[in-house]
Amino acid sequence: DGGITQSPKYLFRKEGQNVTLSCEQNLNHDAMYWYRQDPGQGLRLIYYSQIVNDFQKGDIAEGYSVSREKKESFPLTVTSAQKNPTAFYLCASSPSTGPNEKLFFGSGTQLSVL
Amino acid sequence: SQKIEQNSEALNIQEGKTATLTCNYTNYSPAYLQWYRQDPGRGPVFLLLIRENEKEKRKERLKVTFDTTLKQSLFHITASQPADSATYLCALDWGRRALTFGSGTRLQVQP
Repeated sequence: DGGITQSPKYLFRKEGQNVTLSCEQNLNHDAMYWYRQDPGQGLRLIYYSQIVNDFQKGDIAEGYSVSREKKESFPLTVTSAQKNPTAFYLCASSPSTGPNEKLFFGSGTQLSVL
Repeated sequence: SQKIEQNSEALNIQEGKTATLTCNYTNYSPAYLQWYRQDPGRGPVFLLLIRENEKEKRKERLKVTFDTTLKQSLFHITASQPADSATYLCALDWGRRALTFGSGTRLQVQP
């Protein structure tokens, strides 16, 4: 059953703590993305990766880090430098980063601060 | 900078009517425009893609138009059903290698 899996569904972060959100896909897609969604706002791009071992900053990369060591995995770390991390985080993938590619999204991770 | 505007107010319509949602954008027109559906607590799901040289695209009860002169796309759902209730997002590619999304419009179809 092909798709994109995010875990956990809910995550809580303590002050000063780094947390990592998991994103795995078995669609054999080259491109993967991380978006952040706040209530009433659109999705904002954090990072994207066009290919293994390469990634690019999006519009709001400060306080976040990523890695792309395997084609199927693109974990996002929310560092303590991100002062307002509470949001709904969405991971997506596409066959490539071409302009006509549709995105396949995971079911999201809701991150809250304790 | 490029901006996408979708009506932030929810659209409430009666079952069986046609829902029309609007997506306006600024600056130059993208080559492609996409529409997604998002249910509460879930990720968006792709619905339709339209190219700049296409005036209209249809898929079952869905229709999308793309007017590069007005810098606007309209998304129509005909014979709407309560199951169509969701938030609808438009997304544009401005050659940045990643889509830019609007904030979405929530549609509520009353039975």
